[in-house]
Amino acid sequence: DAGVIQSPRHEVTEMGQEVTLRCKPISGHNSLFWYRQTMMRGLELLIYFNNNVPIDDSGMPEDRFSAKMPNASFSTLKIQPSEPRDSAVYFCASSSQTGWRGTSTDTQYFGPGTRLTVL
Amino acid sequence: RKEVEQDPGPFNVPEGATVAFNCTYSNSASQSFFWYRQDCRKEPKLLMSVYSSGNEDGRFTAQLNRASQYISLLIRDSKLSDSATYLCVVSSGGYQKVTFGTGTKLQVIP
Repeated sequence: DAGVIQSPRHEVTEMGQEVTLRCKPISGHNSLFWYRQTMMRGLELLIYFNNNVPIDDSGMPEDRFSAKMPNASFSTLKIQPSEPRDSAVYFCASSSQTGWRGTSTDTQYFGPGTRLTVL
Repeated sequence: RKEVEQDPGPFNVPEGATVAFNCTYSNSASQSFFWYRQDCRKEPKLLMSVYSSGNEDGRFTAQLNRASQYISLLIRDSKLSDSATYLCVVSSGGYQKVTFGTGTKLQVIP
């Protein structure tokens, strides 16, 4: 299995530009998570999907951030317009969970991350 | 109070030493607990799940104390390759929403 795939691996952009991060989860996994990691705040959950449906987006910082999962094999995280404080490493992770009342302890598998720098 | 709290360290220990990390969580309804390891500039990877009865994997032992709401990780006979940041992860809610601690940095020195 190829694991979770993220692109691009590195992104440098200027303030005000739109940024789109992409993620392909592990085939067969039904949950997908977007995280942001900074030195100051650690790893923060932004949003997660179960069976392509957004379940909790309370971690999304503000309206400039949006995420979609049009099908089971693809998700995007978009920032528009980007700001310097958005600079961070963005991770996508996927897992196979038993459903909304499940008590699955299945592992989350992380992609290699996208290192975003907004100038 | 943060949902999951860890001592950021760093813990600098000599090779062969035993080191222990604790992690406290605030939600008493939390259901699942994990330790992840993250190497510098890499993604987090599962180290081990933490079960109520405690569990061991080689040199690593994880324990859960529900009454005091903390989990622990014990590393025996530390190796240089154990140097990393160890993230405590707590999962709660029907959809298994997970919360990561900010991590404890371990540096094993020769």
